[in-house]
Amino acid sequence: SQQGEEDPQALSIQEGENATMNCSYKTSINNLQWYRQNSGRGLVHLILIRSNEREKHSGRLRVTLDTSKKSSSLLITASRAADTASYFCATSPMDTGRRALTFGSGTRLQVQP
Amino acid sequence: NAGVTQTPKFQVLKTGQSMTLQCAQDMNHEYMSWYRQDPGMGLRLIHYSVGAGITDQGEVPNGYNVSRSTTEDFPLRLLSAAPSQTSVYFCASSYSATRGQPQHFGDGTRLSIL
Repeated sequence: SQQGEEDPQALSIQEGENATMNCSYKTSINNLQWYRQNSGRGLVHLILIRSNEREKHSGRLRVTLDTSKKSSSLLITASRAADTASYFCATSPMDTGRRALTFGSGTRLQVQP
Repeated sequence: NAGVTQTPKFQVLKTGQSMTLQCAQDMNHEYMSWYRQDPGMGLRLIHYSVGAGITDQGEVPNGYNVSRSTTEDFPLRLLSAAPSQTSVYFCASSYSATRGQPQHFGDGTRLSIL
């Protein structure tokens, strides 16, 4: 079963616009992470936010976490064509002994030049 | 550093054949894992290892075996390939086995079973 579910499944914007992706999850977590995947490549870690944090920034990325709603958002500001990729949230659930991340099905972002 | 290296990048098998997907990391990472990625389903964990000589099952382990004889290598074996195992396979590693560490991924092996 999917712990994290991203919304929307696909997003198309113009260069320079902001892109917002959302992630919802079901169980209590240690942390939530966002990954990026370019076509034909592996996933690349972008940012990690812990369960006791509400917001985190890294360059043009801003991540928020609302544990009461079990949701997170990833904001990419001033998007570029090179931001075109799929973005995945991954959660580290508290109630599993498998020490593994659980990934959502991703948001496909297309940034038009 | 090469990071996580997966071989082969592409493979076509016939139903019933066996093969080994190779994964090696040069970062001295403790934790290694295998995922499969299918359209619309995200990544699902197959097997993982928290150190040399220690492996455990993930979400979808049936039809796959793993071993971890060294820190660097974590091969995935398909025992008798089935069309349902057509997928993209990713190996990942992280510095420690502490829960929820960021993972480093290889570029994947694209496997087709005919």
